[in-house]
Amino acid sequence: GENVEQHPSTLSVQEGDSAVIKCTYSDSASNYFPWYKQELGKGPQLIIDIRSNVGEKKDQRIAVTLNKTAKHFSLHITETQPEDSAVYFCAASKGSNYQLIWGAGTKLIIKP
Amino acid sequence: GAVVSQHPSWVICKSGTSVKIECRSLDFQATTMFWYRQFPKQSLMLMATSNEGSKATYEQGVEKDKFLINHASLTLSTLTVTSAHPEDSSFYICSARVGAGEETQYFGPGTRLLVL
Repeated sequence: GENVEQHPSTLSVQEGDSAVIKCTYSDSASNYFPWYKQELGKGPQLIIDIRSNVGEKKDQRIAVTLNKTAKHFSLHITETQPEDSAVYFCAASKGSNYQLIWGAGTKLIIKP
Repeated sequence: GAVVSQHPSWVICKSGTSVKIECRSLDFQATTMFWYRQFPKQSLMLMATSNEGSKATYEQGVEKDKFLINHASLTLSTLTVTSAHPEDSSFYICSARVGAGEETQYFGPGTRLLVL
């Protein structure tokens, strides 16, 4: 079955710097890759997603890149701010059941 | 964006009692809802997939008689934890798909369950 690996488990960056979180997936049939942000005690919030027919997508300070050949996708956050501190999860899905296979999560810490 | 609510946001109950958690899609009709549980500092674990009007599909290792799921309408799914025990204490989160052919899942705020 599908397996999603996410790195790093913890990332600490200076405010204003960029943060990059990487995920790899095992099933080449996966075609949808969302990223979620989860703050403490809250449900995950979709921040950006990408489908397999696109290589890159950007929304203001957030971007996601997808390399289908290498089966990896990355989240890029530029000009980080304190409110970006949270746990970020990547996921992958395919086919008709739409089930998400989740990465283990990355705790992002923005240092003031 | 699509909004999903959950009620209650937290609940404390005695061991042996049953607890019902509601998940509602507020501004869209959800043909499919998902129920997850999450332990501290861990990723989300899918418990079951719920389709409106049909029986839920449970993941391996999830007891269907203990975690009863009802998806009676396109905007409401309920999860009932029956005969709850302390090991059922967890963060329960639902999500909903916007519509047919749409992969995106929108999540509720979660329900914190503590069984004493």
